[in-house]
Amino acid sequence: EVQLVESGGGLVQPGGSLRLSCVAAGFTFSSYEMNWVRQAPGKGLEWISYIRETGSTIYYADSVQGRFTISRDNAKNSLFLQMNSLRVEDTAVYYCARGPLGYLDFWGQGTLVSVSS
Amino acid sequence: DIQMTQSPSSLSANVGDRVIITCQASQDITKSLNWFQQKPGKAPKLLIYDASNLETGVPSRFSGSGSETDFTFTISSLQPDDFATYYCQQYDNLPITFGQGTRLEIK
Repeated sequence: EVQLVESGGGLVQPGGSLRLSCVAAGFTFSSYEMNWVRQAPGKGLEWISYIRETGSTIYYADSVQGRFTISRDNAKNSLFLQMNSLRVEDTAVYYCARGPLGYLDFWGQGTLVSVSS
Repeated sequence: DIQMTQSPSSLSANVGDRVIITCQASQDITKSLNWFQQKPGKAPKLLIYDASNLETGVPSRFSGSGSETDFTFTISSLQPDDFATYYCQQYDNLPITFGQGTRLEIK
């Protein structure tokens, strides 16, 4: 069974940092492109970052460029999102999603990040 | 960025009804469009990819059509499990973008 389990969310003050993790199971993680997508409370979906299977290609949305860093450890079946200089508007549920940009075929259940003073 | 505009934003319907949701792109995206279903507190689920292809395991009452800038998502006969929010998503250009969502409610 395919599983993606996110963790690392929580309450942080503006300007703070958090590191999100997504652990994969049930498929060959190293063979898949991966993404982070977020959803602010009561709002729609916003794609924020992509990483190729080997980590050789990375993309970011403008809203997080320069503040967030995506990475992966294929030996540990894990995807990461390092979030620095957090803003109130970064408050959202963060999902990891498997697949190329045109085929996000499986998503984790998400982890909530709250940025507030 | 490519803007995706869904219509309607919300919709009330009965079990058994035929439901149509539209999605308009701000520029030509050929057939680079997917449809997702999301239930409250749950992750999105891919239903339709490349505008008209049914994802494995998705019931055939769901379908999609369209190309360039205008797309349609149809549920042929609404079932109780279908009440959810639906999103279109384009992947023709970075950043990939989603429509604002269509909330489908029970009448």
